[in-house]
Amino acid sequence: AQTVTQSQPEMSVQEAETVTLSCTYDTSESDYYLFWYKQPPSRQMILVIRQEAYKQQNATENRFSVNFQKAAKSFSLKISDSQLGDAAMYFCAYRTASGGSNYKLTFGKGTLLTVNP
Amino acid sequence: SAVISQKPSRDICQRGTSLTIQCQVDSQVTMMFWYRQQPGQSLTLIATANQGSEATYESGFVIDKFPISRPNLTFSTLTVSNMSPEDSSIYLCSVTPHDETQYFGPGTRLLVL
Repeated sequence: AQTVTQSQPEMSVQEAETVTLSCTYDTSESDYYLFWYKQPPSRQMILVIRQEAYKQQNATENRFSVNFQKAAKSFSLKISDSQLGDAAMYFCAYRTASGGSNYKLTFGKGTLLTVNP
Repeated sequence: SAVISQKPSRDICQRGTSLTIQCQVDSQVTMMFWYRQQPGQSLTLIATANQGSEATYESGFVIDKFPISRPNLTFSTLTVSNMSPEDSSIYLCSVTPHDETQYFGPGTRLLVL
């Protein structure tokens, strides 16, 4: 079974600075998807960024980028120019690419990010 | 993406009663998922609901406790039966429209007294 580990229960960053959230995962599959979701106090789960394992290029979405190291099974999220609105719980998630009933997401325990003004 | 709504957004219930949560999507989707998020915890999948077939439940979740309906491609319900305080959680539905990404509803916050 796949597992996702987020080793940082909490992180803090100064506004306008850069922060990196860590995620590692364990799988025997070669094709899969990785996601970062953000959950603000409203509890809405918001997709931040996604990465396909077969793509070597790291995904980027505006101020958010990932460092995907497939051999190391590492998938960190970098937030540049941090804003107060980035404060939230961040979850790393894994999904197999093999389809069928295995489309479920496996989540890490989350990292609570605080942004200090 | 997909626009997903859930009803109710929150509720306070007495132990021993049941609550049905509705999930509505603005487009037709094959699979819908129901997750539970206990206080301070991550998300755990309860079941996968496909239209026209029985829901597939994850280990630790049973149909008698969490019956699911999926009458069409845009709607599903999850019932939390015979509730106890341990059922106090946020319940979220999600869908995968077509691009392999799951999108989530706003969640239903349930408190059982």
